[in-house]
Amino acid sequence: KAGVTQTPRYLIKTRGQQVTLSCSPISGHRSVSWYQQTPGQGLQFLFEYFSETQRNKGNFPGRFSGRQFSNSRSEMNVSTLELGDSALYLCASSLAVLGPDTQYFGPGTRLTVL
Amino acid sequence: AQKVTQAQTEISVVEKEDVTLDCVYETRDTTYYLFWYKQPPSGELVFLIRRNSFDEQNEISGRYSWNFQKSTSSFNFTITASQVVDSAVYFCALSETRETSGSRLTFGEGTQLTVNP
Repeated sequence: KAGVTQTPRYLIKTRGQQVTLSCSPISGHRSVSWYQQTPGQGLQFLFEYFSETQRNKGNFPGRFSGRQFSNSRSEMNVSTLELGDSALYLCASSLAVLGPDTQYFGPGTRLTVL
Repeated sequence: AQKVTQAQTEISVVEKEDVTLDCVYETRDTTYYLFWYKQPPSGELVFLIRRNSFDEQNEISGRYSWNFQKSTSSFNFTITASQVVDSAVYFCALSETRETSGSRLTFGEGTQLTVNP
């Protein structure tokens, strides 16, 4: 079974721009979660989507948004980029039909904001 | 609120030494899950183990073993006879079990393990 895939793997943007990251979950997984990893804040939960609905949300500003499609693929968008948004963005998928389940992570997208 | 603490920021050992990574957690839930993940330099988080709060049995998988003690809210990870390939950052994580909480993970700060030849 193919693992979680994320595209692109690397991105360089400038302040004020917006960016869209993509995540394809493991086949059969309906839950997709996004995490931000920075040296200062560590791994922080952004949001989770299940069956095209946001089921859970972390403590991030509204500039961070996401969506999930009917095939469970997910995108996250960051608008009006700030220098502090430079991070590794990790996507994870799980079955998670009723509550939590083991999350399997993709390789991440490394975003650099200049 | 949930919290996971990994007090050891960095550990350096020589190959074949045993090493234990500590994890202490806080939660008000009576039912929860605990996880360990490994993050090699490539960046991907690799799942190692999941434990639910009702199962305090220790687990061994090859050179890896985990000690879960609910009384001290700890879930420690031991690597026996460490190898250079074990060098990575290791994360302990906690998940609530309420249906509305979905699959949200709270991570510790991570422990950078370096195994020297």
